[in-house]
Amino acid sequence: GAVVSQHPSRVICKSGTSVKIECRSLDFQATTMFWYRQFPKKSLMLMATSNEGSKATYEQGVEKDKFLINHASLTLSTLTVTSAHPEDSSFYICSASAGGNTGELFFGEGSRLTVL
Amino acid sequence: EDKVVQSPLSLVVHEGDTVTLNCSYEVTNFRSLLWYKQEKKAPTFLFMLTSSGIEKKSGRLSSILDKKELFSILNITATQTGDSAVYLCAEYGAQKLVFGQGTRLTINP
Repeated sequence: GAVVSQHPSRVICKSGTSVKIECRSLDFQATTMFWYRQFPKKSLMLMATSNEGSKATYEQGVEKDKFLINHASLTLSTLTVTSAHPEDSSFYICSASAGGNTGELFFGEGSRLTVL
Repeated sequence: EDKVVQSPLSLVVHEGDTVTLNCSYEVTNFRSLLWYKQEKKAPTFLFMLTSSGIEKKSGRLSSILDKKELFSILNITATQTGDSAVYLCAEYGAQKLVFGQGTRLTINP
């Protein structure tokens, strides 16, 4: 299957700093990428849909100024958590569609963010 | 708003047992239903279902979709300890994937 790489896999930062997470599709072009957040023992919550060359579409309740998403190329999307606070600590997962209209997504390995 | 509900939320069985995981959905513009297995990190893809009544199989795992009743089941036969994981059901509707809460399956030796 298609490969999606996410980096870093783990990051620890101080409160008030910003953290950038990268999501790359390695062997296919992804016009659309999705960012999810997962709390411990909970399911994946869609944060935003990222489309190459245009502004991301955020889900209700997700602060777009807090979670900056950039999809500058067909193989790279980034999520920046700005002015991180301890409540932003979570597991962030990106996924990408290889095309088609059936919803099969390929997931990155996830990034565990801990804000101290 | 699209909604996916899984049951049970948690299940503990003995190795060798057969389990059935349930997923019901309420969506607009349904396109497909997907099953994923999540262990420690990101989910791994199991099945994608688009048509009613056609069973998909992969080894000891199988899944089927009922579009009339809006549900899907995932069966695992002869379970092994390596099957312990969270199983996620997701629906693809309005160009996004909506996940259920997941079923945490634990297989005891």
